[in-house]
Amino acid sequence: GAGVSQTPSNKVTEKGKYVELRCDPISGHTALYWYRQSLGQGPEFLIYFQGTGAADDSGLPNDRFFAVRPEGSVSTLKIQRTERGDSAVYLCASSLMLAGVADTQYFGPGTRLTVL
Amino acid sequence: AQKVTQAQTEISVVEKEDVTLDCVYETRDTTYYLFWYKQPPSGELVFLIRRNSFDEQNEISGRYSWNFQKSTSSFNFTITASQVVDSAVYFCALIIQGAQKLVFGQGTRLTINP
Repeated sequence: GAGVSQTPSNKVTEKGKYVELRCDPISGHTALYWYRQSLGQGPEFLIYFQGTGAADDSGLPNDRFFAVRPEGSVSTLKIQRTERGDSAVYLCASSLMLAGVADTQYFGPGTRLTVL
Repeated sequence: AQKVTQAQTEISVVEKEDVTLDCVYETRDTTYYLFWYKQPPSGELVFLIRRNSFDEQNEISGRYSWNFQKSTSSFNFTITASQVVDSAVYFCALIIQGAQKLVFGQGTRLTINP
């Protein structure tokens, strides 16, 4: 079946602008995650959704970052007043939840965000 | 807090050599899961393996094998008879029971030269 998809694959924006990054999880996966990967680093957790609600947003760096998942499927990561330090690859993952146990997370191809 | 350390930043070997990627983890939790992911130049993280903390059996899948040792908090990954297509960045990751966020190491860039 289809894997996790993310759009756009690349986004170039200017400092101070607003951006939205979209993630389409694997069909039937109730859990959805956003991570950020800076150059030469491992991915870092941003936020986790179980269904429509953000169950853990402890990784969001500040209040310029916000994510939604209104219907429990597609999610959008929103970044306001972008800064050059926001430049990174934003990765989305999804998984099944099995009796409260974290199942394997499957990742999308990522969105490379460049803030000029 | 959890931590994953991949001390080898880059490894370069000649095709057909065996290579081992090291992973050391830290956690106070007794129930946790360990993972390896492969990130080829295309950028997508590809799942390779998942082990839980109660299963220390080594695992072999084709040319890939994993050695999990709780006594040394290590979960090492060996590629036997490496191939050019194995060239990628490899990440080791940890997740504790009840949490949902993967904690990744810094990754090891593996280059297999023909």
